Amino acid sequence: AQTVTQSQPEMSVQEAETVTLSCTYDTSESDYYLFWYKQPPSRQMILVIRQEAYKQQNATENRFSVNFQKAAKSFSLKISDSQLGDAAMYFCAYRSARGAQKLVFGQGTRLTINP
Amino acid sequence: DAGVIQSPRHEVTEMGQEVTLRCKPISGHNSLFWYRQTMMRGLELLIYFNNNVPIDDSGMPEDRFSAKMPNASFSTLKIQPSEPRDSAVYFCASSSRRLTSGSIYEQYFGPGTRLTVT
Repeated sequence: AQTVTQSQPEMSVQEAETVTLSCTYDTSESDYYLFWYKQPPSRQMILVIRQEAYKQQNATENRFSVNFQKAAKSFSLKISDSQLGDAAMYFCAYRSARGAQKLVFGQGTRLTINP
Repeated sequence: DAGVIQSPRHEVTEMGQEVTLRCKPISGHNSLFWYRQTMMRGLELLIYFNNNVPIDDSGMPEDRFSAKMPNASFSTLKIQPSEPRDSAVYFCASSSRRLTSGSIYEQYFGPGTRLTVT
């Protein structure tokens, strides 16, 4: 079974600075997808960024980018120019590209933005 | 698009009562997922449907939980009888298995139902 680990329960960063959230996963599959979801206090789960495992290029969405290291099974999220609205829980998630469609989530990292 | 709709947003009930959570997926999506979020176990899949057919219900905790999807636009998750340990946030999500431009079957989540069983 696949597992996802987020080793940082909490992180904080000064507004306008850059922060990196860590995620590692375990799988025997070669084809899969990885996601970062944001959960603000409203508890809505919002997709931030996604990465296809077959792509070597790291995904980027505006201020959000990932560092995908397939051999190391690592998938970190970098947030540049942090804004107060970025404060939330961030979840890393794995999904197989074949068979089971379910998302397997990490335990989450609570990100605080200091003004 | 209205997004995934869940009702109620909050539910408080007494132990032993029946609870029914409802979900309307995004129009055109043919996969529907029920997740549960607790402090102890995090986010975990309970069950999912493809084309209204249950595919994987291995996450359903026990027989007290049941889920149905009578048509493409509606699903229910029922707990009978409810217990205090069922208190959690229950999310419904939907996705489309038809590839569209830039899509990799992304799952879109509803706002969740916060269930409290006293």
